[in-house]
Amino acid sequence: EAEVAQSPRYKITEKSQAVAFWCDPISGHATLYWYRQILGQGPELLVQFQDESVVDDSQLPKDRFSAERLKGVDSTLKIQPAELGDSAMYLCASSPWGGSQSSGANVLTFGAGSRLTVL
Amino acid sequence: GQNIDQPTEMTATEGAIVQINCTYQTSGFNGLFWYQQHAGEAPTFLSYNVLDGLEEKGRFSSFLSRSKGYSYLLLKELQMKDSASYLCAENAGKSTFGDGTTLTVKP
Repeated sequence: EAEVAQSPRYKITEKSQAVAFWCDPISGHATLYWYRQILGQGPELLVQFQDESVVDDSQLPKDRFSAERLKGVDSTLKIQPAELGDSAMYLCASSPWGGSQSSGANVLTFGAGSRLTVL
Repeated sequence: GQNIDQPTEMTATEGAIVQINCTYQTSGFNGLFWYQQHAGEAPTFLSYNVLDGLEEKGRFSSFLSRSKGYSYLLLKELQMKDSASYLCAENAGKSTFGDGTTLTVKP
């Protein structure tokens, strides 16, 4: 069964350091999402890509977070500098299609996540 | 999650039936999803409703009323492995999630 790959699974860093997370979506999935999930809360969308273009990054703290999907396949999410409040699970998901004009069952398949602890 | 309300916690007994409710307030509604998330794991897709009515999938069923902005997930013949968080998510161009309902199944 096709999976969304993420790495690293766990990352512990000190505040003010830089961290990066990588995601490889299911082959052929045009849409890629990065979500942040704080313990006890639901996933919050940080950024959504359609192929290599950003569709929605309205909730991405752009002063410290950046995301790219240069060739429209895998993606990297970076945080620099990390802050204590960034401790969370960072989930990558992909779907066959999406965007504002999507309709129908846009089912997301999630990766296992990257758990970040900032000390 | 913003605009999506679901109970924080529920407890039920093995073998019983439990209903998890979800209300949403959004424009551009284009379907409602339920995901299951075990502790420390990623969410996995359970069901999707875009039209009013009941969708049944084995022990799990999901209901939608668009006029009321309301959905529920019904779990029958509860098993211990059903202990998890159940996330309601609405699809309005992007998937917006509720904060989840943590279900504990007791023997």
